[in-house]
Amino acid sequence: DSGVTQTPKHLITATGQRVTLRCSPRSGDLSVYWYQQSLDQGLQFLIHYYNGEERAKGNILERFSAQQFPDLHSELNLSSLELGDSALYFCASSINEGGYGYTFGSGTRLTVV
Amino acid sequence: AQTVTQSQPEMSVQEAETVTLSCTYDTSESNYYLFWYKQPPSRQMILVIRQEAYKQQNATENRFSVNFQKAAKSFSLKISDSQLGDTAMYFCAFRPYVFGNEKLTFGTGTRLTIIP
Repeated sequence: DSGVTQTPKHLITATGQRVTLRCSPRSGDLSVYWYQQSLDQGLQFLIHYYNGEERAKGNILERFSAQQFPDLHSELNLSSLELGDSALYFCASSINEGGYGYTFGSGTRLTVV
Repeated sequence: AQTVTQSQPEMSVQEAETVTLSCTYDTSESNYYLFWYKQPPSRQMILVIRQEAYKQQNATENRFSVNFQKAAKSFSLKISDSQLGDTAMYFCAFRPYVFGNEKLTFGTGTRLTIIP
């Protein structure tokens, strides 16, 4: 157990639907990062939150949004889902300063049918 | 923008042998961190080793060591006495030492297979 909890582990949904992925960071970590891993795109950075505030955005579609709550858990909302959104979505957390690597959750496998 | 390149999509080696995975990166930053992550079939991302660019000494973690060549922007991973459990995808990653820009940029990965 890495200490980063992601739910659900698997999700199957239809095109056009909306889903919410949840992440609880490791205790003491203020930063949460979301990554998308698909077969043809590798690990793509989506968004970074630090202590409730958006810190950086990557290649995140307008149909996707995220937030980090006061208790530091984060949610990634994916709407108007398309087949191409099928991927493994990782959440990771870190102590912001110090250059330590991330601690990753086990991911949410999203399948859009 | 930073880029990370892993030129070996797949490698295989006999158990107990030594294998080296290559990684090069491009950046204009002078201070940064480099990482190797392992992703076994379970898909969990596991930190293997990290290197701080301002340290000349190469990092080591048990059977894992790196060869960090800052001028050449090269960061290879050596696995000694390879074990079956080392079979996984290995990702090289770069993180700038810039407050407010802590995201990791990953390479495309090397699939390593340890043959019994």
